[in-house]
Amino acid sequence: DTAVSQTPKYLVTQMGNDKSIKCEQNLGHDTMYWYKQDSKKFLKIMFSYNNKELIINETVPNRFSPKSPDKAHLNLHINSLELGDSAVYFCASGPFEGRQFFGPGTRLTVL
Amino acid sequence: KQEVTQIPAALSVPEGENLVLNCSFTDSAIYNLQWFRQDPGKGLTSLLLIQSSQREQTSGRLNASLDKSSGRSTLYIAASQPGDSATYLCAVEAGYSTLTFGKGTMLLVSP
Repeated sequence: DTAVSQTPKYLVTQMGNDKSIKCEQNLGHDTMYWYKQDSKKFLKIMFSYNNKELIINETVPNRFSPKSPDKAHLNLHINSLELGDSAVYFCASGPFEGRQFFGPGTRLTVL
Repeated sequence: KQEVTQIPAALSVPEGENLVLNCSFTDSAIYNLQWFRQDPGKGLTSLLLIQSSQREQTSGRLNASLDKSSGRSTLYIAASQPGDSATYLCAVEAGYSTLTFGKGTMLLVSP
């Protein structure tokens, strides 16, 4: 029944490591997103994919690389993790320019 | 650059009160405005979406209004309940399916 799912829910890692977060949606939506929520709870768009094509790439370091193998999946790979990458990362999906549905979030802690 | 402001930042009310949450945005060229709620440690739940051509949307005890020309939206919650306690987020879409979020209003409804 889960609409938008993310794995893992928690991720604790050392600086300099590479990690991935996976996202899947079973709602049949064309568009998927990654958002970052910082320690002050401010939510900001990182990437937006429509039909597996990147349409938005906000000012995000190129250590972050999204990959969409198909319309139902959007994964986020992060290279050379830094302390400032610690945040909650949310995946979302929706019809293009429509209502967005969010996953439960992945809390990333970089030590 | 679009900026979204939510007032108040926090609100505490007794159960049963009607309340209004405010959202303002700087650029009136929007496609839609969305209201979400976020419970602690959880993802976002979509509450209402108002298209730019609409004036309001209703869902149960929630009513959201939009005045695009003045850059304002309100979320009205009738007969508040302790289960309404959460952070309420306003977000505007200005194109390319990209949401710009406010910092939220943290609502506490006491029994």
